[in-house]
Amino acid sequence: DTEVTQTPKHLVMGMTNKKSLKCEQHMGHRAMYWYKQKAKKPPELMFVYSYEKLSINESVPSRFSPECPNSSLLNLHLHALQPEDSALYLCASSQDSLGGRGNYGYTFGSGTRLTVV
Amino acid sequence: DQQVKQNSPSLSVQEGRISILNCDYTNSMFDYFLWYKKYPAEGPTFLISISSIKDKNEDGRFTVFLNKSAKHLSLHIVPSQPGDSAVYFCAAQQGAGNNRKLIWGLGTSLAVNP
Repeated sequence: DTEVTQTPKHLVMGMTNKKSLKCEQHMGHRAMYWYKQKAKKPPELMFVYSYEKLSINESVPSRFSPECPNSSLLNLHLHALQPEDSALYLCASSQDSLGGRGNYGYTFGSGTRLTVV
Repeated sequence: DQQVKQNSPSLSVQEGRISILNCDYTNSMFDYFLWYKKYPAEGPTFLISISSIKDKNEDGRFTVFLNKSAKHLSLHIVPSQPGDSAVYFCAAQQGAGNNRKLIWGLGTSLAVNP
């Protein structure tokens, strides 16, 4: 299994809703990431988990709450989002947080297309 | 301030010819550089990387060249195929230990015409 699986693929939520995005990988990767991507822009890092501990929070608003229940799963809990939070949310993983070594790179999921109404 | 720059937003190439995508950077502390390819509505796909101590890395049709003195790298695709049409992102890795992260360029949209 060489994939990062994200669910759901599409999500429409109201500004008062609570929802969660899920990410799963079974490659034995020990670093997992949440990125946000707007149209025609590069991915923007939100959070990094290394060995199931939060290692980087890029000053993300508290309405986004990450969780790493185990080494294969990464969740992003959403609450009271704004319309400007609408974007493609990407999960990625790498062997460890030194993921760019050699030819390993980072493996990205296909993303969750989030629309906040 | 953009630390990783892809100055060409788009590039159009004929099938079978060489595609050259360029990337410039400002931070001499970057230790790895990576290229990703992205189709619409999909996540980026890792293509190839190069260590800052190398000047060339080749993988099939893809070759990345690094010129450290010029703080410039380029991705060569030869021969180009219509399926290569996508947005290509250059990214640089910085930081130490668990604080390593990628710094991304804005991307170059490549169109390979049959």
